[in-house]
Amino acid sequence: QKEVEQNSGPLSVPEGAIASLNCTYSDRGSQSFFWYRQYSGKSPELIMSIYSNGDKEDGRFTAQLNKASQYVSLLIRDSQPSDSATYLCAVNGGGATNKLIFGTGTLLAVQP
Amino acid sequence: NAGVMQNPRHLVRRRGQEARLRCSPMKGHSHVYWYRQLPEEGLKFMVYLQKENIIDESGMPKERFSAEFPKEGPSILRIQQVVRGDSAAYFCASSPLPTGGHTEAFFGQGTRLTVV
Repeated sequence: QKEVEQNSGPLSVPEGAIASLNCTYSDRGSQSFFWYRQYSGKSPELIMSIYSNGDKEDGRFTAQLNKASQYVSLLIRDSQPSDSATYLCAVNGGGATNKLIFGTGTLLAVQP
Repeated sequence: NAGVMQNPRHLVRRRGQEARLRCSPMKGHSHVYWYRQLPEEGLKFMVYLQKENIIDESGMPKERFSAEFPKEGPSILRIQQVVRGDSAAYFCASSPLPTGGHTEAFFGQGTRLTVV
């Protein structure tokens, strides 16, 4: 079983719709969760972090965390073509190094 | 405040040559992580360093790869005797503390290594 799993997509949504991106993780001891956006050929850009169960909102982005279900999601409201990118879910690996474990990413395509 | 700086941005090496990738963390960050991203794949952890110390190198290939983060200067990822399979994007991330807890890591622009 992969440590962090994401649907690779592509997830296609029309402009103005809500995009919902999902991620599950296997390590129950994980405490920190991050969403990165990566445009093709570019570096990952941190867009959201979440540490507690529930929702965290930042502008058009909402991260949701359910530790009991080992599930974290990212909602993008009023999707724009500029949101088209690969979204990477990352979970801290715990232990002495706290390295980030990444999913393979979900490709989001927002159709104008 | 400058972000994480990596150079070179693009590096072409012939098989058997050495590749040296550099990473200068953000000001005030003493924790550096190296990740590799193969085409169409996710980011894979390679090594975690603090100043003058390798904390976790569990993701590093056993041979040809090494990393350092000296007291002065950037972190270096060194690949000896490169092979075509080493072609990838190599990203460096830095943080002020280990990325557990409520600490975020920020990535540099990456070095795209092409082995011909």
